[in-house]
Amino acid sequence: GAGVSQSPSNKVTEKGKDVELRCDPISGHTALYWYRQSLGQGLEFLIYFQGNSAPDKSGLPSDRFSAERTGGSVSTLTIQRTQQEDSAVYLCASSRGQGAGNTIYFGEGSWLTVV
Amino acid sequence: AQSVTQPDIHITVSEGASLELRCNYSYGATPYLFWYVQSPGQGLQLLLKYFSGDTLVQGIKGFEAEFKRSQSSFNLRKPSVHWSDAAEYFCAVGAGNTPLVFGKGTRLSVIA
Repeated sequence: GAGVSQSPSNKVTEKGKDVELRCDPISGHTALYWYRQSLGQGLEFLIYFQGNSAPDKSGLPSDRFSAERTGGSVSTLTIQRTQQEDSAVYLCASSRGQGAGNTIYFGEGSWLTVV
Repeated sequence: AQSVTQPDIHITVSEGASLELRCNYSYGATPYLFWYVQSPGQGLQLLLKYFSGDTLVQGIKGFEAEFKRSQSSFNLRKPSVHWSDAAEYFCAVGAGNTPLVFGKGTRLSVIA
């Protein structure tokens, strides 16, 4: 596609439920990133993929968070047993290659509210 | 570890006035430096980036930024602000194969 596409754009879920957030990167981009944006906290790195591999999972806040990428394209971020502190905007980004020298392009985010 | 500090949480300027948003980074070598803008309800858009060479970098929408190694700074400037510039601005630093590290952002309000 023309840009990074994320779905759903908005999600309200009850505490304790599982949620899946989807990211469709720009076609041909091999690197894919997940960030979390909480109010007043800036962007917090969660995980990134190079192809289908995740070299750096250091940002995942707990074992309730997991992510996968298949076919070197679409990625899914799963949050199990959601808590209220998981409420945030989850941003996906992609770049042509791995490394800071490659410009990364962001999607519009998935707004998650846990009630 | 890399880190980015944006000292100003919120800035208000009058339309037509000049703007400078501050960014300081911590890194052992010269990193790649970026400024992104996020309008309400939107994703982040790249304004400009510095990799090497000329320390004054021009970006989109009339923005520029200057890399000052001695001060570990990469401040964003615009000579005349427009109401449409009201948004959240993020400075970011990257190096090698590591993901970008972002500051906490500066929210810009523009008044008539």
